[in-house]
Amino acid sequence: AQKVTQAQTEISVVEKEDVTLDCVYETRDTTYYLFWYKQPPSGELVFLIRRNSFDEQNEISGRYSWNFQKSTSSFNFTITASQVVDSAVYFCALSEASNYGQNFVFGPGTRLSVLP
Amino acid sequence: KAGVTQTPRYLIKTRGQQVTLSCSPISGHRSVSWYQQTPGQGLQFLFEYFSETQRNKGNFPGRFSGRQFSNSRSEMNVSTLELGDSALYLCASSPGQGAGTDTQYFGPGTRLTVL
Repeated sequence: AQKVTQAQTEISVVEKEDVTLDCVYETRDTTYYLFWYKQPPSGELVFLIRRNSFDEQNEISGRYSWNFQKSTSSFNFTITASQVVDSAVYFCALSEASNYGQNFVFGPGTRLSVLP
Repeated sequence: KAGVTQTPRYLIKTRGQQVTLSCSPISGHRSVSWYQQTPGQGLQFLFEYFSETQRNKGNFPGRFSGRQFSNSRSEMNVSTLELGDSALYLCASSPGQGAGTDTQYFGPGTRLTVL
């Protein structure tokens, strides 16, 4: 069965601090995809990144970076020099390639508050 | 390309009524999925439609149903509303061919309040 855990329910940081959001997943598939989404107060889930299980290279996009480690089943997300606009709920999600159709399993989310 | 659109954005209904929510996917996308988001249960998958057929279904009662039209637009219906159906309902679209490997793009959601 698929499962995604985000142990941090809420995090508060002061602007310009770095912050890491943790994501741990469970799956029996060897081929799967991991995602991060951002949900600002407006409610829409904004896609941030998609990573497949065969690509363990870390990725950096501006102030965002992602660390994928299969050995620990983790896909952590780091925001460098956080800004107030980063305040949102962040979700990690898992999709198994063997799924018949789309069926993402989401973690419970981490609410990030960046204080000025 | 225009994003995923959902209508209406807000709805207030009373127990026992039924409601229909609408979703228009990104142009060219053939898969539409629906999710329910509540504070207690988080984001839960309802069902997915691809080429007018339900391809995948979550663990929700039969009061929750959906359909997809030939232009890929989708509707979701909830009958005999209960207080616990109050939630943000999110629609997501994806190209569809990749099944479990596709990225899903989400709409702004419909916030349903059941009184």
